[in-house]
Amino acid sequence: KAGVTQTPRYLIKTRGQQVTLSCSPISGHRSVSWYQQTPGQGLQFLFEYFSETQRNKGNFPGRFSGRQFSNSRSEMNVSTLELGDSALYLCASTPGQGKSDTQYFGPGTRLTVL
Amino acid sequence: GESVGLHLPTLSVQEGDNSIINCAYSNSASDYFIWYKQESGKGPQFIIDIRSNMDKRQGQRVTVLLNKTVKHLSLQIAATQPGDSAVYFCAEIGSQGNLIFGKGTKLSVKP
Repeated sequence: KAGVTQTPRYLIKTRGQQVTLSCSPISGHRSVSWYQQTPGQGLQFLFEYFSETQRNKGNFPGRFSGRQFSNSRSEMNVSTLELGDSALYLCASTPGQGKSDTQYFGPGTRLTVL
Repeated sequence: GESVGLHLPTLSVQEGDNSIINCAYSNSASDYFIWYKQESGKGPQFIIDIRSNMDKRQGQRVTVLLNKTVKHLSLQIAATQPGDSAVYFCAEIGSQGNLIFGKGTKLSVKP
């Protein structure tokens, strides 16, 4: 099975712009979670989507949003970018059946905000 | 609140030696813990997990120990190899089913 894929791998934006990142889960997986990784804060949970619905949400401002399509692919959007949004954005997929399903991560999208 | 932390940010070991990476967690109600390995330029990779009804679990060259009394978790890597060089994260499952990660320990293996 192919693993979790994320596009693009690298992105450079300027403050005030918006960005959309994409994640394709492992085939058959219905849950996609997004995490932000920074040197200062580590890995932090953004949100989780299951069957096209946001099921859980972390403590991030409303500028961070996401959606999931019927084929389980997910996108996350960050509007009005700030310098502090520079980070590695990771998505992880699971079958979505249980809280303890193993989460499989993609390689991430490295976002740099100038 | 829920938080997971690590005792040491870096660990350097000689090839062939055993490595021990430690982790402390704060939520005594946590019932599931996972160790992830992250190599440069890659996403975290699942290594091993353990549930709170166990004290020890073994995998291939790795062992996870859980001490619920002191809320401590450790990852032991036997016969450490250069390919083991990476950042290791412990994580617990939060109340929403999301992963709560520790800050990570960077393991460097000297040949």
